Amino acid sequence: NAGVTQTPKFRVLKTGQSMTLLCAQDMNHEYMYWYRQDPGMGLRLIHYSVGEGTTAKGEVPDGYNVSRLKKQNFLLGLESAAPSQTSVYFCASKKLEGPGELFFGEGSRLTVL
Amino acid sequence: DAKTTQPTSMDCAEGRAANLPCNHSTISGNEYVYWYRQIHSQGPQYIIHGLKNNETNEMASLIITEDRKSSTLILPHATLRDTAVYYCIVRVAVGGKIIFGKGTRLHILP
Repeated sequence: NAGVTQTPKFRVLKTGQSMTLLCAQDMNHEYMYWYRQDPGMGLRLIHYSVGEGTTAKGEVPDGYNVSRLKKQNFLLGLESAAPSQTSVYFCASKKLEGPGELFFGEGSRLTVL
Repeated sequence: DAKTTQPTSMDCAEGRAANLPCNHSTISGNEYVYWYRQIHSQGPQYIIHGLKNNETNEMASLIITEDRKSSTLILPHATLRDTAVYYCIVRVAVGGKIIFGKGTRLHILP
């Protein structure tokens, strides 16, 4: 099992460009999450999904959109990137049943110039 | 989900037990306490969780007070590889939103 895989791992954008981060998990997990982490800060929840076809807002959803068309994939989109969105983005997943733990990807480092 | 309060940073000598506190005074009866850690810029790693009873696994022990308003993560014999940011989270077992705080930055000193 690969676990949680994030694509791409690094990306540089210009202000106003758009892009999509892909998170894929092969553990058949229901829940998936996108977090961002700025230097010296903790993780902040952007959006999450409790199942295929569902999404919900987290703590800092503005400027991002998400989609969960397939159970194994959770996409994070930036329609018009801003320098304030320069960050490291982490995806995570967990199973539905019981008090299961989160499994994280290795992160995607995004720089917006 | 209940909020947690953790010290910003802590030091511990290598080979000694590292005791990381977490306050969760507004925890509800159905909320679990979870601990994760993040080494350098890697994705956070699950350590342990508990509801009421103390828990132990190969990585750490979790001590939860009887009133459940606080807990302590214990790394019994800290090594340099335990230098990381440690996050304490409180949440229900089945639920969507999972919020992380800023965690405690643990420095293991040689």
